[in-house]
Amino acid sequence: QSALTQPRSVSGSPGQSVTISCTGTYSDVGIYNYVSWYQHHPGKAPKLLIYNVSERPSGVPDRFSGSKSGNTASLTISGLQTEDEADYYCCSFADSYTYVFGTGTKVTVL
Amino acid sequence: EVQLVESGGGLVQPGGSLRLSCAASGFAVSSYDMHWVRQAPGKGLEWVSALGTAGDTYYSGSVKGRFTISREKGKNSFYLQMNSLRAGDTAVYYCAKVFCSNTGCYDALDIWGQGIMVTVSS
Repeated sequence: QSALTQPRSVSGSPGQSVTISCTGTYSDVGIYNYVSWYQHHPGKAPKLLIYNVSERPSGVPDRFSGSKSGNTASLTISGLQTEDEADYYCCSFADSYTYVFGTGTKVTVL
Repeated sequence: EVQLVESGGGLVQPGGSLRLSCAASGFAVSSYDMHWVRQAPGKGLEWVSALGTAGDTYYSGSVKGRFTISREKGKNSFYLQMNSLRAGDTAVYYCAKVFCSNTGCYDALDIWGQGIMVTVSS
């Protein structure tokens, strides 16, 4: 199972919006609505931001939103804040009860 | 407080074995699907294995046949037995709990340990 494809980096100024794409195949993102997104500050535990493509756990700000079209899922961060600078990973349930993570995207707040 | 703490990492020679433990507090590991995820140096997250509440086990293709995930009755912990270790298994290993809300459990991980380093080198 190959890793889902994400851009290596995206950047934006405080208050702007950025969108991270996550491209998979028909064996994962394309067929399952079980895409999750994680924020990972190096040296810390990853944090769940989005599950089931677009659902937010309680406590996650509504600045974080998710969507999916075909084989590509997306995470949008609106109203970018300095503390949003981190690595972001998508993850999808895949065939044969496995999971596949994305390649990761570094978000830089300019 | 809901928490996961990994232990058992370290340096091991290629071909060797290591057993990682993940101790839980604030919830019962037997009531949730539990996972292991790893991150090699300078690389992204990689899903490794999952253990279902019924004892069902799942593995990534890269570790299947070499790693075994398990629980132990009477202990609020779960484990990852790693055999035939290779340099490519060098990574920080995280244990994690499946996310559940009042509407059910989902294919996402909400509680993660801080991670533990495993280095495979001669």
